[in-house]
Amino acid sequence: QMQLVESGGGLVKPGGSLRLSCVGSGVNFGDYYMTWFRQPPGKGLEWVSYINSRGRNINYADSVRGRFTISRDNAKNSLYLQMDSLRVEDTATYYCARDGGGNSESDFWGQGTLVIVSS
Amino acid sequence: QSVLTQPPSVSGAPGQTVTISCTGSSSNLGAGYDVHWYQQVPGAAPRLLISTNTNRPSGVPGRFSGSKSGTSASLVVTGVQAEDEADYYCQSYDSGLTAVVFGGGTKLTVL
Repeated sequence: QMQLVESGGGLVKPGGSLRLSCVGSGVNFGDYYMTWFRQPPGKGLEWVSYINSRGRNINYADSVRGRFTISRDNAKNSLYLQMDSLRVEDTATYYCARDGGGNSESDFWGQGTLVIVSS
Repeated sequence: QSVLTQPPSVSGAPGQTVTISCTGSSSNLGAGYDVHWYQQVPGAAPRLLISTNTNRPSGVPGRFSGSKSGTSASLVVTGVQAEDEADYYCQSYDSGLTAVVFGGGTKLTVL
């Protein structure tokens, strides 16, 4: 079993920045790919980015590429999402999840953290 | 517009069988990429329901089953129960987009 807890969400103005964190516990965090997903209020799930166990295989959705940066610190069992140049359409609940990257399933999810981009 | 297509809603009376479809294309399901299914009750995080087309993780009731053929996949709930009322999402990978993709979600209502 793996427990994941996100933090760092909040209200930010368009063009601003925010850094989300996700702390894992229960299993060896450093053995797994990790992924960020998001869900705008009342809408469906959207994949944002994934990173492999060593941080060398990274991919982003086109909607965030060039603005968001995923990273991890395995010594701290932590995953991060640096979000810059935020737009109103980035408003969503952001979830971190454990998976195998690419076409793998996400078997453990955090509870989510809400990001609101508004002036 | 989601890459994978799901019906917005389905419904069934308790005990009935309900099927949720997920239709893709030659660059995702048709290219051999697996489909995974998630259940999301209001206010909660998604929960993995079916992995790799047909596999049920530990703890998922046996009334949930999945299948995949060509560019389509299905989630079947045999003997739907009140607690199954939730949103359901299919997920796969698209080689043309080089991205993880989802269906738009299907709301299951138990009548």
